[in-house]
Amino acid sequence: QVQLVQSGAEVKKPGASVKVSCKASGYTFTSYGISWVRQAPGQGLEWMGWISAYNGNTNYAQKLQGRVTMTTDTSTSTAYMELRSLRSDDTAVYYCARLMTTVTTYWFDPWGQGTLVTVSS
Amino acid sequence: SYELTQPPSVSVSPGQTARITCSGDALPKKYAYWYQQKSGQAPVLVIYEDSKRPSGIPERFSGSSSGTMATLTISGAQVEDEADYYCYSTDSSGNHVVFGGGTKLTVL
Repeated sequence: QVQLVQSGAEVKKPGASVKVSCKASGYTFTSYGISWVRQAPGQGLEWMGWISAYNGNTNYAQKLQGRVTMTTDTSTSTAYMELRSLRSDDTAVYYCARLMTTVTTYWFDPWGQGTLVTVSS
Repeated sequence: SYELTQPPSVSVSPGQTARITCSGDALPKKYAYWYQQKSGQAPVLVIYEDSKRPSGIPERFSGSSSGTMATLTISGAQVEDEADYYCYSTDSSGNHVVFGGGTKLTVL
């Protein structure tokens, strides 16, 4: 079955960077993209961006442009999300999800288990 | 920026029908999707492309869309359906992705 397994929880200081991994299994990795979505404590879902595992093309949320980088390693079917210059309001659970696409739309299914990133001095 | 609007909460008794709405200006042209998120868990897709149900999702979950409003209906809601539900779509250009603010469904 399709499964996305994420790396473990992280605690970072303000100004630092974090890199979260997402290992995919159960499907052909390069046939789909990977999207990242985060959820601050007690808050809703916030889309961060996506990356094509086929050609590495990316689309980032405007709010995070310049601070986020998404990459993939096709040899290990793993996607990565790096967020730099961390602030306290970056504290959240970060999810990866397989990107499902048609000609006109895209959505996310299934999702990884989530990675808690805590930013605190 | 584009927004999807959901009611903060909906409450029903077990066996009743729960309806959760999602309004957005681009919904006449763009599909709506619905995610269920139980406490401490990752979101799960329950409806895609307005009204299609993924395999493994109970038949009591259905979706519809008319004009600027999409609706998730849970017919005969069960206690295990208690969760936060999020609608998702894009703006008319397809470039801006947005989630609704979420609706907490209480079944008791």
